[in-house]
Amino acid sequence: GQQVMRIPQYQHVQEGEDFTTYCNSSTTLSNIQWYKQRPGGHPVFLIQLVKSGEVKKQKRLTFQFGEAKKNSSLHITATQTTDVGTYFCAGIPGNQFYFGTGTSLTVIP
Amino acid sequence: DVKVTQSSRYLVKRTGEKVFLECVQDMDHENMFWYRQDPGLGLRLIYFSYDVKMKEKGDIPEGYSVSREKKERFSLILESASTNQTSMYLCASSLSGPTDTQYFGPGTRLTVL
Repeated sequence: GQQVMRIPQYQHVQEGEDFTTYCNSSTTLSNIQWYKQRPGGHPVFLIQLVKSGEVKKQKRLTFQFGEAKKNSSLHITATQTTDVGTYFCAGIPGNQFYFGTGTSLTVIP
Repeated sequence: DVKVTQSSRYLVKRTGEKVFLECVQDMDHENMFWYRQDPGLGLRLIYFSYDVKMKEKGDIPEGYSVSREKKERFSLILESASTNQTSMYLCASSLSGPTDTQYFGPGTRLTVL
């Protein structure tokens, strides 16, 4: 079936270090969305990317959509403890959402 | 703000019981979804609905059914609960199109003994 993969599953970083996670799809996506889930919480929408090569920023977070619209990345600059959580991408290859399995970020103070 | 509520945060049931999970959204959204979330497997779509009385199977519908009699309410039904249905269940809604942002409820942690 359709898969939106994320790389990697768990990541531990020292506070102040950068963090990057990726999503790869086997097929072209019409758009991609990123969500964050805090421990014990529910997924919350962060951003949507639609155009090939699109780059969007939210403070220390930078999101990029690949040129072929098959992959995306989320980069956090100078992580803080408030960044802790699981980051999911959600791709829409047809007319249905497919969520990746998420990358769980731990920030070590 | 969009608000999606789920009937219970925690639920413990016995094998073979019929289980109802309720989800209500207050923003007049057309679309509603049920997911289950398991460690290492992410969010998997069970069923979704794009309109009242309409339902579509997601990726893992086996062992589940749904009901959408009113626009604001989407119910997930486990006809005969089994231990492998122990999971976190998340309801979500979105405005209208299939690519619209999804708003999630707080989740129901279901344990089947």
